Amino acid sequence: SQKIEQNSEALNIQEGKTATLTCNYTNYSPAYLQWYRQDPGRGPVFLLLIRENEKEKRKERLKVTFDTTLKQSLFHITASQPADSATYLCALDMDNFNKFYFGSGTKLNVKP
Amino acid sequence: DAGITQSPRHKVTETGTPVTLRCHQTENHRYMYWYRQDPGHGLRLIHYSYGVKDTDKGEVSDGYSVSRSKTEDFLLTLESATSSQTSVYFCAISEGQASSYNEQFFGPGTRLTVL
Repeated sequence: SQKIEQNSEALNIQEGKTATLTCNYTNYSPAYLQWYRQDPGRGPVFLLLIRENEKEKRKERLKVTFDTTLKQSLFHITASQPADSATYLCALDMDNFNKFYFGSGTKLNVKP
Repeated sequence: DAGITQSPRHKVTETGTPVTLRCHQTENHRYMYWYRQDPGHGLRLIHYSYGVKDTDKGEVSDGYSVSRSKTEDFLLTLESATSSQTSVYFCAISEGQASSYNEQFFGPGTRLTVL
């Protein structure tokens, strides 16, 4: 069966440090992987997409890597701020038919 | 914000009653999705639609049905609500491969409680 794993434990870091979140998957061969941010009581918001032929993608303080051999994506937030505190979810398009499956998300707490 | 609304935003109902949730979009996006979100499970796909009258099941479709008679509306029906269907339901829309990022835009959610 398909499975996407994200660390269910909250990640607590100090402001200014780099946060690294992990997304692991099994039984997929996705053409791309997405990352979303979700704030309490709100729907997720799209952040970044990385394709299978891209090793790394950056957007401002965000960086995503994608290792199709390890079946893993890493999501980094550099110079983290308290406003970055949220739950971050990864999503995969199953069989590339626009049918998405999400990880359970990792809650990030950035302390001032 | 993408033009996507959900109604109702909150609902309390009793076990065994039918419930219909509505998702409405003004973006003319081809794809529409229904997810449920529960603690520890993240977002789970219930059903999705890839066009008018074209729908497919997700990973947790039992006990749910959907209909899409117009591009802008996607209805989720709980045929006979059970307490296990107490959850927060999110609708999402997407342009699909027509978009560079194929990102989904989510509605505000509907909190459903089945007593």
